Amino acid sequence: AQSVTQLDSQVPVFEEAPVELRCNYSSSVSVYLFWYVQYPNQGLQLLLKYLSGSTLVKGINGFEAEFNKSQTSFHLRKPSVHISDTAEYFCAAIGNDYKLSFGAGTTVTVRA
Amino acid sequence: GAGVSQSPSNKVTEKGKDVELRCDPISGHTALYWYRQSLGQGLEFLIYFQGNSAPDKSGLPSDRFSAERTGGSVSTLTIQRTQQEDSAVYLCASSLLLADETQYFGPGTRLLVL
Repeated sequence: AQSVTQLDSQVPVFEEAPVELRCNYSSSVSVYLFWYVQYPNQGLQLLLKYLSGSTLVKGINGFEAEFNKSQTSFHLRKPSVHISDTAEYFCAAIGNDYKLSFGAGTTVTVRA
Repeated sequence: GAGVSQSPSNKVTEKGKDVELRCDPISGHTALYWYRQSLGQGLEFLIYFQGNSAPDKSGLPSDRFSAERTGGSVSTLTIQRTQQEDSAVYLCASSLLLADETQYFGPGTRLLVL
């Protein structure tokens, strides 16, 4: 099974500032990588995913992530955040066992 | 179309009681997954179903947990003799195929065992 590590548990950020959420994975086989967002009292919503091809992946709400195989990283970025981006963000990986392995989550709090 | 739905949205029960949680996957999705989200444990895989194949139960934490999927659609997760450590949000997800990469999640059932 894959192991996913999110390096920051809490990220406070001011509105319109950029944000980066760090994610590292470990796996000996090819994996698919995902970022999900969870707004308060809601389920998980897919932000973006990396399957193959271009290492820069663009998702919804202006988010993007870059797959770096040599560093086994899949960091999420947004150049300018909004108050509405306040949420918990989960990095996840899936391999040949079809089970999603999640990181511990990063809580992003956007302040005016 | 409609997304994954789960019921109830909240459930409060007493220790030792049995509970049933329901999941309606997206129509046409053949794979269905259950996860648990709890403080201190994060998001954990519990079980998945794919078509008529035997489910992968490798994530179920104890034999008090069981799940079934009737007619290849609706799934029920049953927890017998609930314990306080079972308190968590139980999330259901579905995907078009088992090999399909994207799992779509329901809103979850928040279970509180008193």
